[in-house]
Amino acid sequence: AQRVTQPEKLLSVFKGAPVELKCNYSYSGSPELFWYVQYSRQRLQLLLRHISRESIKGFTADLNKGETSFHLKKPFAQEEDSAMYYCALTEINTNAGKSTFGDGTTLTVKP
Amino acid sequence: DTGVSQDPRHKITKRGQNVTFRCDPISEHNRLYWYRQTLGQGPEFLTYFQNEAQLEKSRLLSDRFSAERPKGSFSTLEIQRTEQGDSAMYLCASSFDSGTGGAGGELFFGEGSRLTVL
Repeated sequence: AQRVTQPEKLLSVFKGAPVELKCNYSYSGSPELFWYVQYSRQRLQLLLRHISRESIKGFTADLNKGETSFHLKKPFAQEEDSAMYYCALTEINTNAGKSTFGDGTTLTVKP
Repeated sequence: DTGVSQDPRHKITKRGQNVTFRCDPISEHNRLYWYRQTLGQGPEFLTYFQNEAQLEKSRLLSDRFSAERPKGSFSTLEIQRTEQGDSAMYLCASSFDSGTGGAGGELFFGEGSRLTVL
């Protein structure tokens, strides 16, 4: 069964500090990993996905299959990064379709 | 196209009543998903459609829950004989699957329909 764990419910950093949001997963097949973000009063939206290997809004995430992790990182946090972040896993090479989400981490960036 | 839209945004009902939520996906998307989210948790998968076919249902979806997607366009999620434990945010999402065996792509979410069962 798929499982996504985000060990930190809350994370608080000062503006300009590095930030890392942790995500661990368990899945026996080939996963695709995503980070979704929900800003205040907005809908859930995609931040980045591991296959694109892009940096979005300064965030990066590397899939580590050995450690089954997909941590989200940003070297210099900004106040506008304050939001709820969800890590999600989807099976690939199947028609299973569904994504499994972690319980989220609330990031607060203090001025 | 303004994205995925859900209606109503908020529904308050008494225990035992039936409720129905509607989701209009992004028009060119062939996949439509329903998720449920309670306070402090991430979205939990309920069911999804590929066009009009309902391809997977979670064990969370009891017999009181039914979802349809006639003609492969909008979808409805009905909850019969609501219970207080049904109180949650019901999220709809859509995506485009090219059929080449990938993961189904990015999910585009609606703003959700919040259900409160008194």
